[in-house]
Amino acid sequence: DGGITQSPKYLFRKEGQNVTLSCEQNLNHDAMYWYRQDPGQGLRLIYYSQIVNDFQKGDIAEGYSVSREKKESFPLTVTSAQKNPTAFYLCASRGRGSTEAFFGQGTRLTVV
Amino acid sequence: KNEVEQSPQNLTAQEGEFITINCSYSVGISALHWLQQHPGGGIVSLFMLSSGKKKHGRLIATINIQEKHSSLHITASHPRDSAVYICAVRSGSNYQLIWGAGTKLIIKP
Repeated sequence: DGGITQSPKYLFRKEGQNVTLSCEQNLNHDAMYWYRQDPGQGLRLIYYSQIVNDFQKGDIAEGYSVSREKKESFPLTVTSAQKNPTAFYLCASRGRGSTEAFFGQGTRLTVV
Repeated sequence: KNEVEQSPQNLTAQEGEFITINCSYSVGISALHWLQQHPGGGIVSLFMLSSGKKKHGRLIATINIQEKHSSLHITASHPRDSAVYICAVRSGSNYQLIWGAGTKLIIKP
């Protein structure tokens, strides 16, 4: 079945460590997105990529990095520079010319 | 003012009640999504609308493009409907989503 997969669902890391969140899709979608959600707030765009080997900063890119070496993969690294990394992270993808987005189940990151 | 406003922010109702959640937006859009987020965080896409009305089971979503308003209705509500319901609109040439803050729905048995 086609879909978008995020892993892991829950992730715990020590403060000061970098951590990479996985997002994989087998929908042949060109565009992929990373969002962050904090308790009681809406989702905010971190990074997005409209094509392989290209990505753009969203509204809150500081402290994060991404890569898009393959069409199906868009990993997000939360670096030690991110001041408040504990949050829910959501990945999404969209096919070229389509307005419909598909969503992963999300990763809840807790930094202790 | 946020570009996507949802109301109410919180809603508690009794099982069986008819539920309405509203979403108003101030930008031009190409599509509007309704999503459901469960307590664990997982998000399920319920509807994508660009006009008119869609129905899936007990869920109905409507959109009025002229008024820039959409509603999500739940008929015969059930405790398992308890979740956060999020409205998101697609606007602009890069197709980014603009998200509402969500409506937390609790259905009591």
